[in-house]
Amino acid sequence: DAGITQSPRHKVTETGTPVTLRCHQTENHRYMYWYRQDPGHGLRLIHYSYGVKDTDKGEVSDGYSVSRSKTEDFLLTLESATSSQTSVYFCAISASSRGANEKLFFGSGTQLSVL
Amino acid sequence: RKEVEQDPGPFNVPEGATVAFNCTYSNSASQSFFWYRQDCRKEPKLLMSVYSSGNEDGRFTAQLNRASQYISLLIRDSKLSDSATYLCVVNEGNQFYFGTGTSLTVIP
Repeated sequence: DAGITQSPRHKVTETGTPVTLRCHQTENHRYMYWYRQDPGHGLRLIHYSYGVKDTDKGEVSDGYSVSRSKTEDFLLTLESATSSQTSVYFCAISASSRGANEKLFFGSGTQLSVL
Repeated sequence: RKEVEQDPGPFNVPEGATVAFNCTYSNSASQSFFWYRQDCRKEPKLLMSVYSSGNEDGRFTAQLNRASQYISLLIRDSKLSDSATYLCVVNEGNQFYFGTGTSLTVIP
């Protein structure tokens, strides 16, 4: 299994509080992604990174920010959590965006509940 | 319009049956295609890549039809352990797009 660790695994927080989720990889892969998974929507991309300090928005980026100061760490921050951000969050990594190494490998996920 | 569409199922099949899933994608410029498997409350895991020539891995066969923009997965001799949700995934440059998944339950 790919070396990807997400923390925390579970988080309950209140509306309006800031929340940071962490993804740590030991594979030295260039690309890192944050997805959320909700019933009826499948996995949707929030933000992704294609290198240290290089990030871009996905289709559901509103209300989220990311940072990547080291190859191995990719942080997702909810500046002011809302109930609509209750979801399961998955981090994923890929060695490349195209070609033979483009496969995605996922972390175990973070269940976030915003009350 | 969704990038990737799948029949959500559920598919309930007896052990030993053959079952097929289809998936369509909207962008003809899509580059790479995959099937992932996701067990309840777990992360998605790569099942197999899908190549234009078709490819097989044991009981699993994947095919790609670029002209019609669809991908298929065939599972032969279904096992109880095949019960899961199967996700169709399409790569477009830096981004991967996921179908909502097809639920399979294999019944004893």
